[in-house]
Amino acid sequence: QKEVEQNSGPLSVPEGAIASLNCTYSDRVSQSFFWYRQYSGKSPELIMSIYSNGDKEDGRFTAQLNKASQYVSLLIRDSQPSDSATYLCAVDLMDTGRRALTFGSGTRLQVQP
Amino acid sequence: GAGVSQSPRYKVAKRGQDVALRCDPISGHVSLFWYQQALGQGPEFLTYFQNEAQLDKSGLPSDRFFAERPEGSVSTLKIQRTQQEDSAVYLCASSLAGGGDEQFFGPGTRLTVL
Repeated sequence: QKEVEQNSGPLSVPEGAIASLNCTYSDRVSQSFFWYRQYSGKSPELIMSIYSNGDKEDGRFTAQLNKASQYVSLLIRDSQPSDSATYLCAVDLMDTGRRALTFGSGTRLQVQP
Repeated sequence: GAGVSQSPRYKVAKRGQDVALRCDPISGHVSLFWYQQALGQGPEFLTYFQNEAQLDKSGLPSDRFFAERPEGSVSTLKIQRTQQEDSAVYLCASSLAGGGDEQFFGPGTRLTVL
């Protein structure tokens, strides 16, 4: 089992719809969770960070964290074609002893105009 | 302010050559990370510095890989005797404090070993 798991997609949604991206992780004591957006040929760009259970909203983006279920998600409202990218979930896994982020393989999102 | 910068952006090396990749983190950021990203995968951790101290190098794939940050700012990742399997994008990230903080990535260096 991978430490951070994401569905590779592609997830295809029509323009204006809500895109829902999911991520599960292996460590029950992780404290820091991040979503990065990566356009093809570019480097990851931080879009959301979340540290406590519940929802965190920033513009069209909402991150949701449930530590008991070891689950973090990203909702993108009013999806735009410019949101088409790969979304990477990253977790600071405490049980690895490693002071760096562990990334999922990413979910490719396609927003259809 | 300026973000993380990396150079060169692209590097083509013949198998067996040594390469050096440079990272200039965001000013004032204490922590610096190197990751390797293969096509279609998420970044994989290589090594981590806090100021000039290399606190974790557990992700370096072999002893051909070496990283340093002698003055606690600019870092260099060196790969000796490059192999084809070293071909990847090498990403540098920095954060204000420790590993649990938000990390900001540079544009990456795409290394191709022929």
